[in-house]
Amino acid sequence: KAGVTQTPRYLIKTRGQQVTLSCSPISGHRSVSWYQQTPGQGLQFLFEYFSETQRNKGNFPGRFSGRQFSNSRSEMNVSTLELGDSALYLCATSRTGGFYEQYFGPGTRLTVT
Amino acid sequence: AQSVTQPDIHITVSEGASLELRCNYSYGATPYLFWYVQSPGQGLQLLLKYFSGDTLVQGIKGFEAEFKRSQSSFNLRKPSVHWSDAAEYFCAVGAGNGGSQGNLIFGKGTKLSVKP
Repeated sequence: KAGVTQTPRYLIKTRGQQVTLSCSPISGHRSVSWYQQTPGQGLQFLFEYFSETQRNKGNFPGRFSGRQFSNSRSEMNVSTLELGDSALYLCATSRTGGFYEQYFGPGTRLTVT
Repeated sequence: AQSVTQPDIHITVSEGASLELRCNYSYGATPYLFWYVQSPGQGLQLLLKYFSGDTLVQGIKGFEAEFKRSQSSFNLRKPSVHWSDAAEYFCAVGAGNGGSQGNLIFGKGTKLSVKP
């Protein structure tokens, strides 16, 4: 079966702009979690959506937001981009939510200049 | 607060040699522990997980890990490393209000290089 799909794979933005990243889960998976990966901070949890509702949230500023659609696809948005937002953004999906059986996508590499 | 420490940033081993990657965790209750691998340009792939029961868990690609509560450790091992094992390895602990509403807390990772 098809894996987790993330689009776009690479993105270059300018400081102050906003960006939207997309994650399409494995068929049957209702939960989508987002993680930010940077060399300095490592992998950090952003938020999780389950059945269109945000169920869990990490310690990130309000500039980071997300949503989930009825087909379980999820988008995350970052407004007013800062240089420090340059990172690999990974989404992980699962049937039941949480961390039990997460499958990760290949990530979107965001570069902010 | 929960945390995961991977003391080794970078390890180099010869092909065919054994491997042990260290992981220490801090968590109040019984931890849910994971090892993931990330190859360049790829997402994370789950190698193995420990929830309860037998403290020695077997994973994919010939990896195993042992949970030692007394040492708060969950070290990853492989008896004979292959060149294709070169990648970055992440240890993680599941945190939150039960697995279905929790999230992963990751260590900073250990990069494995394999010498021919």
